Amino acid sequence: EDQVTQSPEALRLQEGESSSLNCSYTVSGLRGLFWYRQDPGKGPEFLFTLYSAGEEKEKERLKATLTKKESFLHITAPKPEDSATYLCAVRGGMFSGGYNKLIFGAGTRLAVHP
Amino acid sequence: DSGVTQTPKHLITATGQRVTLRCSPRSGDLSVYWYQQSLDQGLQFLIQYYNGEERAKGNILERFSAQQFPDLHSELNLSSLELGDSALYFCASSVTGEVNYGYTFGSGTRLTVV
Repeated sequence: EDQVTQSPEALRLQEGESSSLNCSYTVSGLRGLFWYRQDPGKGPEFLFTLYSAGEEKEKERLKATLTKKESFLHITAPKPEDSATYLCAVRGGMFSGGYNKLIFGAGTRLAVHP
Repeated sequence: DSGVTQTPKHLITATGQRVTLRCSPRSGDLSVYWYQQSLDQGLQFLIQYYNGEERAKGNILERFSAQQFPDLHSELNLSSLELGDSALYFCASSVTGEVNYGYTFGSGTRLTVV
């Protein structure tokens, strides 16, 4: 069964304190791994798509990397405005509702304090 | 503003009732996806429509149904509501029927069943 596990569940950082969020996945043939940011009461906002092991994408203080079994979201010198829940998702396989279904992890709640 | 419009933003209704949630996709997007987000289940895929036709189905209950109209807006109908149906319901859209570059999510409808 396709599955996404994110850790830690919650992370508290001081402003400027870099860290990484983990996303472990099990899927029958990876067809894309997605990172989203979700603010309270709002819809998820697309950040990155990664397709193959070794691929990296960057956006401001965020960098996403991908291996064959997991992805990391590195946050460099975070600011309070980076506080949000970060969601990881993979495209579903043939037997889990189709390739256009995204299977989401439970997310990591990030709080960055001044 | 993501360009995906969901109405209403909040809905409070009683058990056993029926409600309709509405979604207008981003201009130019042909595909609409519905997701349910609850505290214990996270984001769960319900159903996808592409240009008026059902394209993929997730763990959508038989009490739930959806359709996409010729103007591409979509409605999610929830009937015989139960307390456990209380959740955030998100609509997302994409240009094609493929999710290669991620979806664009709306802000959601918060449904409370009392």
